[in-house]
Amino acid sequence: GAGVSQSPSNKVTEKGKDVELRCDPISGHTALYWYRQSLGQGLEFLIYFQGNSAPDKSGLPSDRFSAERTGGSVSTLTIQRTQQEDSAVYLCASSLKGTPRTYEQYFGPGTRLTVT
Amino acid sequence: RKEVEQDPGPFNVPEGATVAFNCTYSNSASQSFFWYRQDCRKEPKLLMSVYSSGNEDGRFTAQLNRASQYISLLIRDSKLSDSATYLCVVSDGTSYGKLTFGQGTILTVHP
Repeated sequence: GAGVSQSPSNKVTEKGKDVELRCDPISGHTALYWYRQSLGQGLEFLIYFQGNSAPDKSGLPSDRFSAERTGGSVSTLTIQRTQQEDSAVYLCASSLKGTPRTYEQYFGPGTRLTVT
Repeated sequence: RKEVEQDPGPFNVPEGATVAFNCTYSNSASQSFFWYRQDCRKEPKLLMSVYSSGNEDGRFTAQLNRASQYISLLIRDSKLSDSATYLCVVSDGTSYGKLTFGQGTILTVHP
């Protein structure tokens, strides 16, 4: 079946501009996660959505970052007034809650963001 | 201390070799454990979940020692296609299982 999809695959933006990154999880997966991976670094948790529950935003690095998930499916990560340190690969993952494999997360191909 | 620590390598081994990766984690409340592999400029892909009794999937064997907070991955009969970064991943034990990733161990298998 179809995996997690993300768009755009690459985004180059000027410092100070806003960007929107999109994630379409695996059909039927109720949990959705955003991570980012800076060059040569490990994955950093950003935010988590589960069904209609309030999202866990504990990993968002600043108030310039926000995310929403509409209809329990597609999610958008928005970065306002981008800075050069925001340059990274932004990865989305989804998982199917309520099964023995609840914590197995499946990743999309990522959006490579470059802030110039 | 990092939450999940791995030997970064790199490990350079010939085809057919057996190679082992180790990982330690600091959160004793962690409940779920995984190995992911990540190819260059690609997303992480789930390789295998790690169960308390240890588990095997073909050439790959994973072990978990909760008392020592230690996880291992053994790869037998290495193939060129095994070349990748191997990520040790631990859930934080909360109801939704936020994953914490190690920095990864780089493996290169050469002819």
